[in-house]
This record gives sequence, structure tokens and C-alpha cells, in this order.
Amino acid sequence: GAGVSQSPSNKVTEKGKDVELRCDPISGHTALYWYRQRLGQGLEFLIYFQGNSAPDKSGLPSDRFSAERTGESVSTLTIQRTQQEDSAVYLCASSLGRFSQETQYFGPGTRLLVL
Amino acid sequence: KQEVTQIPAALSVPEGENLVLNCSFTDSAIYNLQWFRQDPGKGLTSLLLIQSSQREQTSGRLNASLDKSSGRSTLYIAASQPGDSATYLCAAPPASGSARQLTFGSGTQLTVLP
Repeated sequence: GAGVSQSPSNKVTEKGKDVELRCDPISGHTALYWYRQRLGQGLEFLIYFQGNSAPDKSGLPSDRFSAERTGESVSTLTIQRTQQEDSAVYLCASSLGRFSQETQYFGPGTRLLVL
Repeated sequence: KQEVTQIPAALSVPEGENLVLNCSFTDSAIYNLQWFRQDPGKGLTSLLLIQSSQREQTSGRLNASLDKSSGRSTLYIAASQPGDSATYLCAAPPASGSARQLTFGSGTQLTVLP
């Protein structure tokens, strides 16, 4: 079956431009996560969606970052007025969202480079 | 705030060796402990998930243990192969709250030499 997919796989943009990253979770997964991995660093949690509940935005680093999810499907992460420190791999993960079935399945990531 | 540490940061071994990767966490109130592998240019692949009530999990040549009281987990790889070369990450979500966001260690980069 299809796994988590992300697009684009690579994105190069100029400082100050807005970018939009897309994540398609595994069908039937109610939980969706966005993480960021800067070069040489560990993964940082950004935002979490669970069904129709309000998202947990506690990991978003600034108000330039926002994310939306349509029901229990596609999610988009938007970065406005990009800065060079936003350069990273942005990973999306999904899970069934039920107790004892919390394995998170990750997409291949979007590599963002801000020049 | 949970902090996850992995030692060593890098490890190089000859093919066939058994090896142990270490993971420690500061807050024992975790929901589970997960091990992933990350290959260059690719996403993460889940290897093992140990529930907080469990002590270990096994999958093929991999065995992961969990000792919540000491804040430690180990990943044991038996009879290592060149295909095992990757970065191994451990991660844990908090036991409380509705979110299950993972706090990751910085990883152990494993190279298995043929």
C-alpha cells in the first residue's frame, strides 16, 4: 500500500519568499505530524493534527510558520518570508492515532534550501 | 522538557559483529520508545516500538530493550551487515496529553564495513 508522500522532494527559494509544502498521509491515519531536521541536528517537532481536534502548534518556531489539514487527509505547511535558517528537511509522519498503535510512518521529506 | 541522548554519535564495525546502540532520556514519563533508521536522502523507517509497560521487542536481528527507571534503551544488532549502515534514531513521546509528538535523539551513524 501507499506510504506517506511529500511534495516537492526538493525546493530552492530566495530569502523572503513564501513556500508551501505538502503531505499526503497514509489513508485512514487520523494523526499527522510535521517535523524539521536541520543539517547535523536532530528532528524537531513542529505541529500535530489529530482528527478534527484543534492542532497542537507548540513546536512552531515563529508566526511565519503555519499548517493546515483538510479533514483527515492532505496537510500543507506554509513558511512565509523564508529565512536562511529555515533551510532544513521537513518531514511529515502519520499514525493511526489509536492507543497501542502509535507507530509513526514518515514520508521521504522535503529538502528546503533558502538562498 | 524531555531530552534524548544517543551514544555513540558514530560507530564503524566490520561485517558480522554484534553491536549495541545506546539511548538515554531524562523524563521517564514516556508513552513508548521507538527506534528508527534513516538512510541518506530518505525518510525514517520504523524499526521497533516498545510500549512503556514492556521491557523489550525483537524483530529479526534487532532487539530493543527499555528500562524506564534508569531512563535507558538499547538497540542490539546481531551479525551486522553492510546493509545495516544508516543513522539510527531513538525517540519517545510523552505519556501525558493527547499529542504524541516524538522527541528525538541526534542519532548514531553506523557504518558496517564489508
